[in-house]
Amino acid sequence: DSGVTQTPKHLITATGQRVTLRCSPRSGDLSVYWYQQSLDQGLQFLIQYYNGEERAKGNILERFSAQQFPDLHSELNLSSLELGDSALYFCASSRLAGDSTDTQYFGPGTRLTVL
Amino acid sequence: AQKITQTQPGMFVQEKEAVTLDCTYDTSDQSYGLFWYKQPSSGEMIFLIYQGSYDEQNATEGRYSLNFQKARKSANLVISASQLGDSAMYFCAMSLYGNNRLAFGKGNQVVVIP
Repeated sequence: DSGVTQTPKHLITATGQRVTLRCSPRSGDLSVYWYQQSLDQGLQFLIQYYNGEERAKGNILERFSAQQFPDLHSELNLSSLELGDSALYFCASSRLAGDSTDTQYFGPGTRLTVL
Repeated sequence: AQKITQTQPGMFVQEKEAVTLDCTYDTSDQSYGLFWYKQPSSGEMIFLIYQGSYDEQNATEGRYSLNFQKARKSANLVISASQLGDSAMYFCAMSLYGNNRLAFGKGNQVVVIP
């Protein structure tokens, strides 16, 4: 158990809908990261928050947004869903913001299926 | 930008044998971190081992060791005394100093056979 929690574990929805994925980081970690894992794209970094502020952005679509709350939990919002958004979405957390020595610990993931 | 390459096809390894998973990386940065993660069929991503670009010694964590060859830009994972529970996908990843995002390779599939 990494200490990172994600809910829900599975999500099935229809095209055009909007969903929210939730993540709670390990105790003491200030950074939260979101990654998407799909068969064709592999594991891709989406976005990072550090202590409530957006820190870095990756290949995140404009239909997707995220935020980190004062209690450090984070939510990833996916809207106008398309079939291609079906993927495993991971949240990870780490203590620091920009230190390459900082290990990221991953949550169990949310498997999103768009029908 | 950093790039990670894992090109080995799926591997079968006998229980109790050692297995080496190849990983090469490409970056012009001098300060970076290299990581290996394990993803079993259940889907979670499990951190295994870390190697810093300035570390002079190869990292070890239990049965896992990292064969770091900086000049060749390779960071191979060695799993000793394989166990059935080692059957999984293994991902090599890299982060740069000042930019924590992990760039992942495509993974190596390992199947341990009794």
